[in-house]
Amino acid sequence: ETGVTQTPRHLVMGMTNKKSLKCEQHLGHNAMYWYKQSAKKPLELMFVYNFKEQTENNSVPSRFSPECPNSSHLFLHLHTLQPEDSALYLCASSQGTSGTNEQFFGPGTRLTVL
Amino acid sequence: AQSVTQPDIHITVSEGASLELRCNYSYGATPYLFWYVQSPGQGLQLLLKYFSGDTLVQGIKGFEAEFKRSQSSFNLRKPSVHWSDAAEYFCAVLMYSGGGADGLTFGKGTHLIIQP
Repeated sequence: ETGVTQTPRHLVMGMTNKKSLKCEQHLGHNAMYWYKQSAKKPLELMFVYNFKEQTENNSVPSRFSPECPNSSHLFLHLHTLQPEDSALYLCASSQGTSGTNEQFFGPGTRLTVL
Repeated sequence: AQSVTQPDIHITVSEGASLELRCNYSYGATPYLFWYVQSPGQGLQLLLKYFSGDTLVQGIKGFEAEFKRSQSSFNLRKPSVHWSDAAEYFCAVLMYSGGGADGLTFGKGTHLIIQP
């Protein structure tokens, strides 16, 4: 596989469930990102990891818990979510976090919280 | 804090006609600016970017954008659109602090509809 992949592509969960989103990049990049895309709202940066270290947490509620075990994999652990958390969750990667590094995006996971 | 405004939520253009999508940003210094395109069910694909130098930048798929500091704008243009250009277009800005970037700040997007 090439580029940035995300699994699952679609997820439906209840508010009491625990689930995880997975992102994998095959580009040899060092930085990975989680973004949230809600209807009628701009894409929102959630988390930034650089060399497996979290460098940005954009005031995200604790019911979202990221994990970056290595530079190629990024997870977003979900628990006790709310219906307003339903959105498209996009993962991205870049060579580094400096401004000149292009971010490559995955296709996203469409999450529905019932 | 930086912000990005895309004033047009929807734009309808006839196939073969020219296109201009507007983007205005708010940021104290010279920002790094990007245009991304998102087709249905797909992730975002970078069309072009501006960091410095020539204010007219060329991108993929025949798109170009012009950075105008005096107007705080970075409008996207294409001389002749194709039906395959129908998609959602996002303008984004990245604030580079020198110690590391903070991720991208996006506009709300412009939905482009192509009429036959």
